[in-house]
Amino acid sequence: EDQVTQSPEALRLQEGESSSLNCSYTVSGLRGLFWYRQDPGKGPEFLFTLYSAGEEKEKERLKATLTKKESFLHITAPKPEDSATYLCAVRVLTGGGNKLTFGTGTQLKVEL
Amino acid sequence: ETGVTQSPTHLIKTRGQQVTLRCSSQSGHNTVSWYQQALGQGPQFIFQYYREEENGRGNFPPRFSGLQFPNYSSELNVNALELDDSALYLCASSLAHGETQYFGPGTRLLVL
Repeated sequence: EDQVTQSPEALRLQEGESSSLNCSYTVSGLRGLFWYRQDPGKGPEFLFTLYSAGEEKEKERLKATLTKKESFLHITAPKPEDSATYLCAVRVLTGGGNKLTFGTGTQLKVEL
Repeated sequence: ETGVTQSPTHLIKTRGQQVTLRCSSQSGHNTVSWYQQALGQGPQFIFQYYREEENGRGNFPPRFSGLQFPNYSSELNVNALELDDSALYLCASSLAHGETQYFGPGTRLLVL
């Protein structure tokens, strides 16, 4: 069974204090790893898609990387507006169609 | 360009009732996926519709059913509501069944 595990569950940073979120996965036939940001009570907002080991994507203070077993979301010099839950998801080519399997998320709080 | 929209935003029902949730996909998108997100959890795949046909289903009972219309909008119907059906229901649309999914704001359902 496909599994996605995110760590830590929660992370508290001071403004400007860089850190990384981890997403480890066990799947058969990865067809994409996705990062989303979710604010409380809202739908997930798409950030990145990664397809192959060694791939990296960047957007403002965020950088996502991918290996054969895990992905990291690096946050450089975070600001309070980066506070949100960050979700990782994998897409696997199965009889279940184009479904995403999500982890439980990392809740990030950035304080002044 | 209009993003994914969902209605209603909030809904309160009692156990045993039936509910219909609606989703309008992003312009040009022909695929809609539905997810259930319990509090503190990642979204769980319910099913996907591609060009009006079901294109995969997650581990949800038959009382969860759906439709996709010629304009690619979609409905999620849940019969015989149970207390555990209380959750945020998310709709996501994509250009095709293999592409990045973009989420709507969700419908918060409370079953009493």
